Amino acid sequence: KQEVTQIPAALSVPEGENLVLNCSFTDSAIYNLQWFRQDPGKGLTSLLLIQSSQREQTSGRLNASLDKSSGRSTLYIAASQPGDSATYLCAVSPDSNYQLIWGAGTKLIIKP
Amino acid sequence: EAGVVQSPRYKIIEKKQPVAFWCNPISGHNTLYWYRQNLGQGPELLIRYENEEAVDDSQLPKDRFSAERLKGVDSTLKIQPAELGDSAVYLCASSLWNTEAFFGQGTRLTVV
Repeated sequence: KQEVTQIPAALSVPEGENLVLNCSFTDSAIYNLQWFRQDPGKGLTSLLLIQSSQREQTSGRLNASLDKSSGRSTLYIAASQPGDSATYLCAVSPDSNYQLIWGAGTKLIIKP
Repeated sequence: EAGVVQSPRYKIIEKKQPVAFWCNPISGHNTLYWYRQNLGQGPELLIRYENEEAVDDSQLPKDRFSAERLKGVDSTLKIQPAELGDSAVYLCASSLWNTEAFFGQGTRLTVV
């Protein structure tokens, strides 16, 4: 059974720092992996989607990498800003049916 | 283009009472998902529709939960009777077949 783990559960860093959020999964046979952002009281916003054949995806200050063989993905945030404060969740799809299996998320606080 | 719309945003009910949530997906999206998210956890899939057909309801507690998607557009999720453990955020998402899903803002349910 696929399990997705995100460590740490919470992270607080000063504004301007570069940071890395981690996601690990137990079964390397995934179809794709996706990173989401969730703000309090709001829904989930997709940030980056990496297909199983890809190694990384970039969007602005965000870069997500995927290492299927080791069952790991990282989300790199450059030059963090207070507006980046949110909970970041990763989710994997085991097949093309887009049934997402989720991590519990990392709550990120960027201090001004 | 409007996103996924859910109502109500918040609902407080007493245990043993019924409750219903409504979701209007993005126009043209044939696949609709209902998720439940407990505090500090990732979302858990309850049911997935393709058009009017529920293609995956294995995680739906069928003794008290029911869902319908008439005409393959809007969907309702019902709980009857509600229990204290049902307190959570209920998220609706939609997609075009098995492509990337877009999430609504969710309904926060509190059962007292």
